[in-house]
Amino acid sequence: EDQVTQSPEALRLQEGESSSLNCSYTVSGLRGLFWYRQDPGKGPEFLFTLYSAGEEKEKERLKATLTKKESFLHITAPKPEDSATYLCAVQAANTGNQFYFGTGTSLTVIP
Amino acid sequence: AAGVIQSPRHLIKEKRETATLKCYPIPRHDTVYWYQQGPGQDPQFLISFYEKMQSDKGSIPDRFSAQQFSDYHSELNMSSLELGDSALYFCASSLNTDTQYFGPGTRLTVL
Repeated sequence: EDQVTQSPEALRLQEGESSSLNCSYTVSGLRGLFWYRQDPGKGPEFLFTLYSAGEEKEKERLKATLTKKESFLHITAPKPEDSATYLCAVQAANTGNQFYFGTGTSLTVIP
Repeated sequence: AAGVIQSPRHLIKEKRETATLKCYPIPRHDTVYWYQQGPGQDPQFLISFYEKMQSDKGSIPDRFSAQQFSDYHSELNMSSLELGDSALYFCASSLNTDTQYFGPGTRLTVL
């Protein structure tokens, strides 16, 4: 069964303390892995799409990487405004266009 | 840049009533998706449409139906509402079933 697991569930960081969020997946034929940021009561905001192992993408303090079994979202020198829930989603070749979301990592950055 | 538009943003209904949620995708996007997100949960895929035809079906209750119109906007119709239907409902759109961009959501409360 296709599965997406994110860890940790919650993460508290001091401002400037770098860390990584993990997204592990078990799908048949990955078409794409997507990272989103979601603030409370708002829609997920697109961050990155990764298509193949070894691919990396960066945006400001965020960097996403992909292997054959997992993806990491690295946060460098986070700021309080980076506090949000980070969602990972995968799209598999044998399940049409559906996105399977992980349960997210709730990040809190303390000033 | 234009984003996904959803209306209404908030909706309060009584049990057994009917609700209609609307979604206006990003211009030129050909695929629309509907998701339900309960408190503290990840978005659950309900249904999607590609070029006005239903393309995938997820965990959508039989009480719910949806369609995409000639102008590509979509409507999610929900009948015989139950307390458990209270949630955030997100619409997302994409071009060629690639990255999905989410709208701000409709918060449905069933009393």
